Amino acid sequence: GEDVEQSLFLSVREGDSSVINCTYTDSSSTYLYWYKQEPGAGLQLLTYIFSNMDMKQDQRLTVLLNKKDKHLSLRIADTQTGDSAIYFCAETYQNYGGSQGNLIFGKGTKLSVKP
Amino acid sequence: AAGVIQSPRHLIKEKRETATLKCYPIPRHDTVYWYQQGPGQDPQFLISFYEKMQSDKGSIPDRFSAQQFSDYHSELNMSSLELGDSALYFCASSLSRVVHEQYFGPGTRLTVT
Repeated sequence: GEDVEQSLFLSVREGDSSVINCTYTDSSSTYLYWYKQEPGAGLQLLTYIFSNMDMKQDQRLTVLLNKKDKHLSLRIADTQTGDSAIYFCAETYQNYGGSQGNLIFGKGTKLSVKP
Repeated sequence: AAGVIQSPRHLIKEKRETATLKCYPIPRHDTVYWYQQGPGQDPQFLISFYEKMQSDKGSIPDRFSAQQFSDYHSELNMSSLELGDSALYFCASSLSRVVHEQYFGPGTRLTVT
């Protein structure tokens, strides 16, 4: 079955690095994503990684994928108070016929950044 | 850059009433997804459309229906509303079924009293 798990809370100090972890069970996942949700707001696509990659870097964000352990992480360098939000890990898979399926989300990790 | 537009942003309805939520995808995007996010929950997939045809179906109750129109906008119709339908409803769009990036709208907050 499909299941995405994340720890629920993470607290860091401003300027430190944050690492948010996620595990998934569906080995047929093709893309893995990180979305950010601020209070009362929509879901912002932060970054994603294709399942045949093991790392992707985008400015302050680094995504690491361990496909063998089905483990995904998001590292935010130099974390700022504006990074405080809920971060959702999500996966999708390729349907028969080649289309991308819907997103399956984890429960979200609430990141609190203390000044 | 244009984003996904959802209307209304907030909606208050009573039990057993009906509601219609609208979604206008990013220009040129032909695929629309609907998700429901309950309080403190992760978004759950409801239904998706590609080129005006239903593409996938998730945990959408039989009381809900949806369609995609010729201009690619989509509407989610909800009938016989229940208290448990109170949630944020998100629409997302993508350029096509094979393009993996889904962009979300700001959501419609539905409150059923």
